[in-house]
Amino acid sequence: DSGVTQTPKHLITATGQRVTLRCSPRSGDLSVYWYQQSLDQGLQFLIQYYNGEERAKGNILERFSAQQFPDLHSELNLSSLELGDSALYFCASSLMGSGANVLTFGAGSRLTVL
Amino acid sequence: ELKVEQNPLFLSMQEGKNYTIYCNYSTTSDRLYWYRQDPGKSLESLFVLLSNGAVKQEGRLMASLDTKARLSTLHITAAVHDLSATYFCAVDNMDSNYQLIWGAGTKLIIKP
Repeated sequence: DSGVTQTPKHLITATGQRVTLRCSPRSGDLSVYWYQQSLDQGLQFLIQYYNGEERAKGNILERFSAQQFPDLHSELNLSSLELGDSALYFCASSLMGSGANVLTFGAGSRLTVL
Repeated sequence: ELKVEQNPLFLSMQEGKNYTIYCNYSTTSDRLYWYRQDPGKSLESLFVLLSNGAVKQEGRLMASLDTKARLSTLHITAAVHDLSATYFCAVDNMDSNYQLIWGAGTKLIIKP
């Protein structure tokens, strides 16, 4: 157990639907990152939050949004889902927002869009 | 374009052999990270290299960093099947608030 908790672990839904993925960072970590990993693909950085504020934005679609709450947990909202959104979504956390810091990854949420 | 290139992207090797994975990067950075991902699993940190000439070793894996050449290597000594995984390198982009730039990953298969 890495200390980063992601729910749900698996999710199957239909095109056009909306889902919310949840992440609780490791205790003491202030920064949360969201990544998308499609089958046999590398990691695509979506967005980063640090202590409740958006710190950096990557290749996140307009249909996707995220936020980090005062208790530091984060949610990634995916709407108007398409088949191509099927992927493994990872949340990671770190102590600092920048600088030398190691990311601790959660187990991921596997999303299947049918 | 800022990028991190790993090669090879796929490597199949026999147990007991030695091999090296290369990670080249184009951005200004003196911090590089190696992560391991088992199939269908999450990523875990292997090494953090924080300065030019840094070398870290754990078991059969050794990582090094040459910031002048913008190159890191991950060397596998006498490979064993349990090292089969995908290995990612990532670099702190000093020109962009230290955001991580990730390589595409090297899928390593070690045959008994």
